[in-house]
Amino acid sequence: SAVISQKPSRDICQRGTSLTIQCQVDSQVTMMFWYRQQPGQSLTLIATANQGSEATYESGFVIDKFPISRPNLTFSTLTVSNMSPEDSSIYLCSARRGDTEAFFGQGTRLTVV
Amino acid sequence: AQSVAQPEDQVNVAEGNPLTVKCTYSVSGNPYLFWYVQYPNRGLQFLLKYITGDNLVKGSYGFEAEFNKSQTSFPQKKPSALVSDSALYFCIFTGGGNKLTFGTGTQLKVEL
Repeated sequence: SAVISQKPSRDICQRGTSLTIQCQVDSQVTMMFWYRQQPGQSLTLIATANQGSEATYESGFVIDKFPISRPNLTFSTLTVSNMSPEDSSIYLCSARRGDTEAFFGQGTRLTVV
Repeated sequence: AQSVAQPEDQVNVAEGNPLTVKCTYSVSGNPYLFWYVQYPNRGLQFLLKYITGDNLVKGSYGFEAEFNKSQTSFPQKKPSALVSDSALYFCIFTGGGNKLTFGTGTQLKVEL
């Protein structure tokens, strides 16, 4: 198994600003992902964080809005840029090794005012 | 397109009764299927998985699921529900690639 530490756990931000969310895994993993979830709803994949190269974004998500870094096999960040109230959501980090189950962080609850 | 479906937004069960949470899949090839649970204000926790082998898989907290290829289903079951089982449950699949595809989630409510 793997333990994922995600921070901050929550934040309230002014529109037009940016927030960087950090995800630290306690062991090396091959894959890391970032998701968005509205409370009580399903998860939507934002992007796959690739170690040493640019992230792979899903349809509807772009690098300028959600820049992602993954400098090594245990750490990744997601930045939500130029925030608007529509960005208010829960953001979750996830990690996998091969075909094993995925592990999830506790999530970051973001409110944009 | 490959997908999973959870046809029930909510399932209500009395404590002590058996519970079933439905999941069907539409996948070409052999799917890898998972069940996860999410408690309020928490991340997702892994419950069980089907990769290959026995169609009946047992997981955490007394949950089990049965892979049925002919019905393309993977329902999750528990013989006796607890109030503490009340949570949001997700059926998830991957077609062997990296990405997980999530069902829409089923809110389970177990009442006394």
